[in-house]
Amino acid sequence: AAGVIQSPRHLIKEKRETATLKCYPIPRHDTVYWYQQGPGQDPQFLISFYEKMQSDKGSIPDRFSAQQFSDYHSELNMSSLELGDSALYFCASSLRQAGDIQYFGAGTRLSVL
Amino acid sequence: GDSVTQMEGPVTLSEEAFLTINCTYTATGYPSLFWYVQYPGEGLQLLLKATKADDKGSNKGFEATYRKETTSFHLEKGSVQVSDSAVYFCALTGLGGYSTLTFGKGTMLLVSP
Repeated sequence: AAGVIQSPRHLIKEKRETATLKCYPIPRHDTVYWYQQGPGQDPQFLISFYEKMQSDKGSIPDRFSAQQFSDYHSELNMSSLELGDSALYFCASSLRQAGDIQYFGAGTRLSVL
Repeated sequence: GDSVTQMEGPVTLSEEAFLTINCTYTATGYPSLFWYVQYPGEGLQLLLKATKADDKGSNKGFEATYRKETTSFHLEKGSVQVSDSAVYFCALTGLGGYSTLTFGKGTMLLVSP
């Protein structure tokens, strides 16, 4: 079965640079979530989209923005990167009418040097 | 707000030992409860879930029962294998499930031959 696809898997950036992470949800899923997992930490919710509209917002810094496109894929844009942004970024997708169970991608590991 | 508390790890067991990882939660209403597993270098995989009181989720020999009276969702397995070595996250979503996941801090399980 198709899973959530994230790209790239690994990304290395310098401080103050920008980064774009992409997420392709499971086909026919209508909701996308972004989470940030710092080293040795639990995943923290950043932002979610339902039917291409922002649904909920968590601890996402103002330097970050995200959107969901007409084909339901989502992008997380990160600007003015800081060392503390180094983390694993997960995307998850779900289908609300099917119980809203979230299925996660393999994640993008961002290293800010 | 909602929160999840898990026992701290690492939990170190020998193969074929019995496993219990404790999880308790604080939430308003009747959350849905989940266990996710994260193998080294990989993303989060849904292990099992329960959506109402007294439900038992089970998968791959793992079980957890939704106990409303004790606000608990402890993970158990009768006989662990080396391949079960991973980090286990207890998590919940709020009313109706149309919300973000709140995770516990995760418990690392190490199984030796």
